[in-house]
Amino acid sequence: DAMVIQNPRYQVTQFGKPVTLSCSQTLNHNVMYWYQQKSSQAPKLLFHYYDKDFNNEADTPDNFQSRRPNTSFCFLDIRSPGLGDAAMYLCATSRDPGGGETETQYFGPGTRLLVL
Amino acid sequence: QKEVEQDPGPLSVPEGAIVSLNCTYSNSAFQYFMWYRQYSRKGPELLMYTYSSGNKEDGRFTAQVDKSSKYISLFIRDSQPSDSATYLCAMSTGFQKLVFGTGTRLLVSP
Repeated sequence: DAMVIQNPRYQVTQFGKPVTLSCSQTLNHNVMYWYQQKSSQAPKLLFHYYDKDFNNEADTPDNFQSRRPNTSFCFLDIRSPGLGDAAMYLCATSRDPGGGETETQYFGPGTRLLVL
Repeated sequence: QKEVEQDPGPLSVPEGAIVSLNCTYSNSAFQYFMWYRQYSRKGPELLMYTYSSGNKEDGRFTAQVDKSSKYISLFIRDSQPSDSATYLCAMSTGFQKLVFGTGTRLLVSP
């Protein structure tokens, strides 16, 4: 089945220790997103890639970076995690068939990050 | 004022009840409307997707959009304990970004 896969499902890191979360997709979608979701809150968009074009949200801290080496994979790097970065990180994908309009988004299962 | 307003609940109903979940929005440019279901500690799962006013039905689920009132609803018929989850409405102008409601937590008791 076509899907969005996130690894690992749970990640424990130490305060200030860099961590990388990964996302892969078999949907062949050209748009990939990273969201942060804290308990009882809506997902908050951090950034997205439209093909290779990176689009950062204005309020995303510099501590958060992303890489998309190819269509299928996207990574979220947190350079110096703080206690406030503990959250669920969600990857999503969508297809833009052209003309700028994007179809709906499909989410992966998420990676729960714990910062000690 | 938030772009999308959604009552956080929790909403508690007995098994078999009809559930009504609602969102209001302020941006008249929204064209695409979605409902996601999110179980605890899991990613959101797309339930319904529509881009026009009116009703769309899929099994026990009906999505309703009223663009003139800027109001969307999700109805669940014959609710089951397995429907217990958080339901997120989301909407888009069509250009890559979704705006989410805060989610309504639904509890269906046997």
